[in-house]
Amino acid sequence: EPEVTQTPSHQVTQMGQEVILRCVPISNHLYFYWYRQILGQKVEFLVSFYNNEISEKSEIFDDQFSVERPDGSNFTLKIRSTKLEDSAMYFCASPDGSGRYNEQFFGPGTRLTVL
Amino acid sequence: RKEVEQDPGPFNVPEGATVAFNCTYSNSASQSFFWYRQDCRKEPKLLMSVYSSGNEDGRFTAQLNRASQYISLLIRDSKLSDSATYLCVVSFISGGYQKVTFGTGTKLQVIP
Repeated sequence: EPEVTQTPSHQVTQMGQEVILRCVPISNHLYFYWYRQILGQKVEFLVSFYNNEISEKSEIFDDQFSVERPDGSNFTLKIRSTKLEDSAMYFCASPDGSGRYNEQFFGPGTRLTVL
Repeated sequence: RKEVEQDPGPFNVPEGATVAFNCTYSNSASQSFFWYRQDCRKEPKLLMSVYSSGNEDGRFTAQLNRASQYISLLIRDSKLSDSATYLCVVSFISGGYQKVTFGTGTKLQVIP
């Protein structure tokens, strides 16, 4: 079964530092999403990406965040100046390649710890 | 009213029991509905999609009631391995793109 991969699995950083989280979505999928989950809380939508552009973003996704697809396979989430409250699991996901309305397949996540 | 609301539980049930979870959603324009399972510190994994006609997959049955805006999940003959958090997920189209909203999840603990 095709899968979404994410690196690193765990990132520890100092407050104010920049981090880049990487995702390799399922090939041929066109829509990509980033979510975050603060420990003990629900999964929250951050941003969706289609055709090399942001298609939708939440209020969480402020100017500190950016997404890119630097090549044909990788999909990155950058946090420019991390804050303590950015500590969370970050999941990359893409819907079934047959359409954008379908169930989403999640990567294993990156655990970000900001000290 | 929360966009997607679930009873957080925990539901502690003995092996072999039947357990049901409900989920309500506020947006009547919602179009797609799913149940995901999430194990501790792992990613959500799709358990099943929920169709208007209801659907069943082995011990799991999902129902959708659009009029009342709720979704249910029934697990029969609970196994220890069913212990997890069950996430209700609702999506609708906003600006031409899918917007996905998760419930907080319902925690299930199956006891020997």
